[in-house]
Amino acid sequence: DTGVSQDPRHKITKRGQNVTFRCDPISEHNRLYWYRQTLGQGPEFLTYFQNEAQLEKSRLLSDRFSAERPKGSFSTLEIQRTEQGDSAMYLCASGRAEKYYGYTFGSGTRLTVV
Amino acid sequence: AQTVTQSQPEMSVQEAETVTLSCTYDTSESDYYLFWYKQPPSRQMILVIRQEAYKQQNATENRFSVNFQKAAKSFSLKISDSQLGDAAMYFCAYRSADYQGNLIFGKGTKLSVKP
Repeated sequence: DTGVSQDPRHKITKRGQNVTFRCDPISEHNRLYWYRQTLGQGPEFLTYFQNEAQLEKSRLLSDRFSAERPKGSFSTLEIQRTEQGDSAMYLCASGRAEKYYGYTFGSGTRLTVV
Repeated sequence: AQTVTQSQPEMSVQEAETVTLSCTYDTSESDYYLFWYKQPPSRQMILVIRQEAYKQQNATENRFSVNFQKAAKSFSLKISDSQLGDAAMYFCAYRSADYQGNLIFGKGTKLSVKP
């Protein structure tokens, strides 16, 4: 169990640029979640995958956001035409479908849009 | 929709003392799961303790225990013998027992531990 890895740890980008984050979950976990956390708030759900299928997207996930999980392994979260309001910590978590299961979180990617 | 409320933005405790963090939630479901997560500064979120709603017995993990009051929709976390390493943000989270199962978090409580 090597944990959930996220890359990069920090990203500074200019408004209007596109950015992509990567998450490598724990290999035996079939679920992968993306959350966004802003200062002073708890994480907010964005989207999740069961294996390679994206099963749910929050209304927080505007059409500028897209997530993929090819072959049910790592996942990417892309934000197009970034806005200052996109500045946040983006957290990835993986887990199993069993109801009682708590998820394992990565260290997050902190995005700053200037 | 389910909501989670943590009414204490900040708490402070003396080292070796006991502190209780509060959490209330709102749901119409009867089957669900509750969690407490710890997020140290600039470090990843880790699971502290979990509780199944159908279990009346309160969960315990070493120095951490919960007081789960299902009728009152209350889920408090008690930390005994507080240590400096307990200083962190603590988040209460709710997970429905349905297929989706994403976590719904409260806003968190920042815990400081004084030596």
